[in-house]
Amino acid sequence: AQSVSQHNHHVILSEAASLELGCNYSYGGTVNLFWYVQYPGQHLQLLLKYFSGDPLVKGIKGFEAEFIKSKFSFNLRKPSVQWSDTAEYFCAVNRAGGFKTIFGAGTRLFVKA
Amino acid sequence: NAGVMQNPRHLVRRRGQEARLRCSPMKGHSHVYWYRQLPEEGLKFMVYLQKENIIDESGMPKERFSAEFPKEGPSILRIQQVVRGDSAAYFCASSRSGSTDTQYFGPGTRLTVL
Repeated sequence: AQSVSQHNHHVILSEAASLELGCNYSYGGTVNLFWYVQYPGQHLQLLLKYFSGDPLVKGIKGFEAEFIKSKFSFNLRKPSVQWSDTAEYFCAVNRAGGFKTIFGAGTRLFVKA
Repeated sequence: NAGVMQNPRHLVRRRGQEARLRCSPMKGHSHVYWYRQLPEEGLKFMVYLQKENIIDESGMPKERFSAEFPKEGPSILRIQQVVRGDSAAYFCASSRSGSTDTQYFGPGTRLTVL
């Protein structure tokens, strides 16, 4: 069965620090990969997605993620975080052509001003 | 363009009662997804529907849970004879089409079973 593993449940960083959130998935076929973010009091929203092409994907607000097929990974990065990046981040995967999306447990990021 | 709407935002039920959760997708979206989130857990897929059709309900419990997306009106997630373990946040998402299409999420309904 498909599954998504996010390595860190809670991350605390100071402003301007670099961020990398790990995400690994288990599925042998072709997949679509997503990172969603939920800011305090707001809806879940899409940060970025990968379904084909360049494995380095750029999203909103300076975030990027790299798909490494051999490692079944899709880690999220940002070179310099801001206080406003405080949120919960979810990695998700679905099978190419499918609709059932599997979410990781989420990582809560707190950025100290 | 209004986003995905869910109501009620909070719902309290006693054990054995029925819970009805509503989801109105974004305008122009014909695909609806329901997810459940338990405390400290990620979203768990429950069901995927298109207008008048259930496409994938592999994440739905076999009993007491049902979902519909009629030709007119919102999608409904119905939980009969609720139990304490049903207490969770239930999120709805919609998309225009396709597995690569962005899912837009609603604010969720928080169900509490007393």
